[in-house]
Amino acid sequence: QVQLVQSGAEVKKPGTSVKVSCKASGYTFISYYMYWVRQAPGQGLEWMGIINSRGGSTNYAQKFQGRVTMTRDTSTSTVYMELSSLRSEDTAVYYCARGYSYGDFWGQGTLVTVSS
Amino acid sequence: DIQMTQSPSTLSASVGDRVTITCRASQSVSSWLAWYQQKPGKAPKLLIYKASSLETGVPSRFSGSGSGTEFTLTISSLQPDDFATYYCQHYNSYYQTFGQGTKLEIK
Repeated sequence: QVQLVQSGAEVKKPGTSVKVSCKASGYTFISYYMYWVRQAPGQGLEWMGIINSRGGSTNYAQKFQGRVTMTRDTSTSTVYMELSSLRSEDTAVYYCARGYSYGDFWGQGTLVTVSS
Repeated sequence: DIQMTQSPSTLSASVGDRVTITCRASQSVSSWLAWYQQKPGKAPKLLIYKASSLETGVPSRFSGSGSGTEFTLTISSLQPDDFATYYCQHYNSYYQTFGQGTKLEIK
């Protein structure tokens, strides 16, 4: 069965970076894109960007350009999302989701807390 | 950028009710629209894609319609498990945007 398993919760200080992983199983990894969405406490869903799991090309939401980097490791079927220059407003649950368009499978979410 | 606006923001209803949630796009998005259900502390769950296609395993009481700029999600007979927050999502090549969400509460 398809599974996306994300790394555990993180607590980071302002100005630092965080790298969240999303390990895929149960399907051919390179056949699907993966995208990242975040959700601040009590807020809605915010699309961050997408990565082509086969070739590694990316497209980021304008809001995160210059601060986000998405990569993948085909040998371990894992995608990564790194967000730099963290600020308190980046406190959120970060989700990976499989798909080029709509997300048919989602990770369980990773809480990133930014606090001094 | 295309903006997606959902209404209402909150909806109170009873078990057995028929409910409709609306999602409007700031410009035409053809049928490139999906609907998700999210429960507290859980990841979103895909319900509908391409405006009206029911995802495998989703109960048939959920249906989607619309094209262009106006879309609806309808639940024909509310069940206790349906009380959650619902989001619409526009998707196209390399870009996505979500509506702000509609919280469906028990009356």
